[in-house]
Amino acid sequence: QVQLVESGGGVVQPGRSLRLSCAASGFSFGGYAMHWVRQAPGRGLEWVAVISYDGSKREYADSVGGRFTISRDNSKNTMFLQMSSLRPDDTALYYCVRDRVAGSTFDPWGQGTQVTVS
Amino acid sequence: SSELTQDPAVSVALGQTVRITCQGDSLRDFSASWYQQKPGQAPVLVIYGKNIRPSGIPDRFSGSSSGNTASLSITGAQAEDEADYYCNSRDSSGHVIFGGGTKLTVL
Repeated sequence: QVQLVESGGGVVQPGRSLRLSCAASGFSFGGYAMHWVRQAPGRGLEWVAVISYDGSKREYADSVGGRFTISRDNSKNTMFLQMSSLRPDDTALYYCVRDRVAGSTFDPWGQGTQVTVS
Repeated sequence: SSELTQDPAVSVALGQTVRITCQGDSLRDFSASWYQQKPGQAPVLVIYGKNIRPSGIPDRFSGSSSGNTASLSITGAQAEDEADYYCNSRDSSGHVIFGGGTKLTVL
């Protein structure tokens, strides 16, 4: 079945970097745009970044632009989020999601990986 | 405006119908998708496009839209529908935006 598994989260000091990974299976990964979405503790969902199916286009939320870099390796069915200059307000559960259609329909979602900046 | 506004909390009696709304100027140009999130779980897509339900989503869930407002309706709410519901769409720059979420309580 379609599955997304995130990894790479952890506890990191402010100003440091972290790299998240998302391993995809059960579908043709290279045919879909992919996103990262995060959720701070007790808060709502916040879109972070998107990468096109072939990696040629990338967009970022204003809150992470210039600090985060989204990338993908279609040969390994994996997406990444390189996070630098981390701040305490980046603390959140980070979800990997597939763009099902139209740029904002997310299905499925991974289970998330926790990032704590402290 | 590049925001989507949802009521923070809504309640419904068991078996009754409830409507959860999402308001924003971008909804005049882009359709909304709806997600259900239960405690400790990842969100699940329940409605997208013009009232399309993914496989496995009960037909008591439906969506509609008019002007700057999108709505998610649950007809005959069940106890298991108690959850947080989020809408999302795109803003004028093409970025994805989410509503603040609605906590649904089934009484």
